[in-house]
Amino acid sequence: EAQVTQNPRYLITVTGKKLTVTCSQNMNHEYMSWYRQDPGLGLRQIYYSMNVEVTDKGDVPEGYKVSRKEKRNFPLILESPSPNQTSLYFCASSSREFSTDTQYFGPGTRLTVL
Amino acid sequence: RKEVEQDPGPFNVPEGATVAFNCTYSNSASQSFFWYRQDCRKEPKLLMSVYSSGNEDGRFTAQLNRASQYISLLIRDSKLSDSATYLCVVMDSSYKLIFGSGTRLLVRP
Repeated sequence: EAQVTQNPRYLITVTGKKLTVTCSQNMNHEYMSWYRQDPGLGLRQIYYSMNVEVTDKGDVPEGYKVSRKEKRNFPLILESPSPNQTSLYFCASSSREFSTDTQYFGPGTRLTVL
Repeated sequence: RKEVEQDPGPFNVPEGATVAFNCTYSNSASQSFFWYRQDCRKEPKLLMSVYSSGNEDGRFTAQLNRASQYISLLIRDSKLSDSATYLCVVMDSSYKLIFGSGTRLLVRP
């Protein structure tokens, strides 16, 4: 089954404790991205990757890091989480033909930073 | 001004009603347009792409007006299962997706 998986699905942590949210897709997609969703603001892109070893900043990259060492994986790293990073996070992937292909979203990770 | 604007709703309609959502976008260079559906606390899923000529998928009809930078979604014969948040999404010239904050629909029995 074609899917994007994220782990963990729920996480409560404390300020400053490094964490990683994993994302993996099994569709051989080249394009992957991370979004955060906050009430009234819609989904905002954090980082994206056009291919292995190619990553770039989205609209709200501050406080986040990513890596793309393999095509299927695109982890999101919070080196020193802060309460303003409490949010719902989605990973997504798609093929290169963006205008015709849908973006597939993972199930989301609900992060609370105390 | 937000790049993609939607009425947040909620739209509260009875089963069988017809409901229309509107969306405006600010970047005239935007090249592709979509409607996504998001159920509570779940991931967004593509509902339909929006083409300049307008397109229909069962009870759903999408329209695009490039001159006015306006997109619409019409749902006919609403079902209880249509209750969700509908996201207007615009792709800019660098293939980046810009999401509206969504319009919430509640269909009541």
